[in-house]
Amino acid sequence: EAGVVQSPRYKIIEKKQPVAFWCNPISGHNTLYWYRQNLGQGPELLIRYENEEAVDDSQLPKDRFSAERLKGVDSTLKIQPAELGDSAVYLCASSLEGTSGGAGFFGPGTRLTVL
Amino acid sequence: AQSVTQPDIHITVSEGASLELRCNYSYGATPYLFWYVQSPGQGLQLLLKYFSGDTLVQGIKGFEAEFKRSQSSFNLRKPSVHWSDAAEYFCAVAPGGYNKLIFGAGTRLAVHP
Repeated sequence: EAGVVQSPRYKIIEKKQPVAFWCNPISGHNTLYWYRQNLGQGPELLIRYENEEAVDDSQLPKDRFSAERLKGVDSTLKIQPAELGDSAVYLCASSLEGTSGGAGFFGPGTRLTVL
Repeated sequence: AQSVTQPDIHITVSEGASLELRCNYSYGATPYLFWYVQSPGQGLQLLLKYFSGDTLVQGIKGFEAEFKRSQSSFNLRKPSVHWSDAAEYFCAVAPGGYNKLIFGAGTRLAVHP
């Protein structure tokens, strides 16, 4: 069974440019999470989806970040415009609702560098 | 606010030695508790989890963790470390009723041959 797939794995952009990350969760997993992991820190939740509905986006900086999960499967996280402080690893995770207590299966992440 | 503390930023052990990684949490009730491992360039992998019941939890790769309510701790242990265990380890909690994880800052484990 394939795990959580993320692309790209690495991205380098200039500040003020837009960037997008894509996530394909494990088949059948209705819960999808986006986390941001700053260097030397643990991941922090940005947004959680139950199917296509964003049920927790309290930590998402809405002035520049947006996310969508069309049809309740794949998801895209966008930053526009990117700032130097956005350099981090962006992790996607998925799980079956009600079975994990919050734990998910994580993808390898996208490492973003903003110059 | 809920928080997770991993007091040790970096630990070095010799191969074959025992290991204990510390984790303390701050939360009014008993949350769900987890340990993850992250190898360079890899995603986070779940080692074990505690929801309720027996306070000694067995996980994958020979790891175990013990929940101690009185100390608000959930320490990870392994009796004999292998070189392949070198990685970063994260403790996480999911406060009851909330389907998300709050992570500690991680402990980086180095293993000497």
